[in-house]
Amino acid sequence: QVQLQQSGPGLVKPSQTLSLTCAIAGDSVSSNSAGWNWIRQSPSRGLEWLGRTYYRSKWYNDYAVSVKSRITINPDTSKNQFSLQLTSVTPEDTAVYYCARTTYRRGDIWGQGTMVTVSS
Amino acid sequence: DIQMTQSPSSLSASVGDRVTITCRASQSITSSLCWYQQKPGKAPNLLIYASSSLQSGVPSRFSASGSGTDFTLTISSLQPEDFATYYCQQSYSSPLTFGGGTKVEI
Repeated sequence: QVQLQQSGPGLVKPSQTLSLTCAIAGDSVSSNSAGWNWIRQSPSRGLEWLGRTYYRSKWYNDYAVSVKSRITINPDTSKNQFSLQLTSVTPEDTAVYYCARTTYRRGDIWGQGTMVTVSS
Repeated sequence: DIQMTQSPSSLSASVGDRVTITCRASQSITSSLCWYQQKPGKAPNLLIYASSSLQSGVPSRFSASGSGTDFTLTISSLQPEDFATYYCQQSYSSPLTFGGGTKVEI
């Protein structure tokens, strides 16, 4: 079955870059029918979709307006994984971060979640 | 962005109760709605997609309906493992957006 395994630090200093990786087992990041998403959850913002990368004969990215100037989601076909980079973080970026596969925009497979705290 | 509003935000129920949760979209999303269940410390788990289709492996006591802007999730007979928080999510357009959640408590 398809599984997503997240990795990355749980503590990031303010103004630095948050970096997380999501390794895919049982599917391909180059799938023509899936999207590979990052979603975060905090008490103040609830579940917030951040963006996705997907392959439809070529690579596309799609980002939430709220983070568009700070976010990059990249696929890594050699390792069958995708990553999140969020620059210039503030305490408001403190949240549980999830990677998720979407098919037809429904999140059918999720990673285990990573609690990321932004603090000095 | 499409705003999703759930009600109630929490409810108290007992094992065996019939429970209904509603979700309203700020504009028509046709039947492009999903429901998730989330337990503490875990990722959301997809229950329902396309408004009323049961995800594989989800018990048949879960059902859902709706189209346009108004949707409902029903648990026909609440079981102990159903105490959790439930979220709706529109899959009509990007950005994906979620409701604020409904916590089902004893």
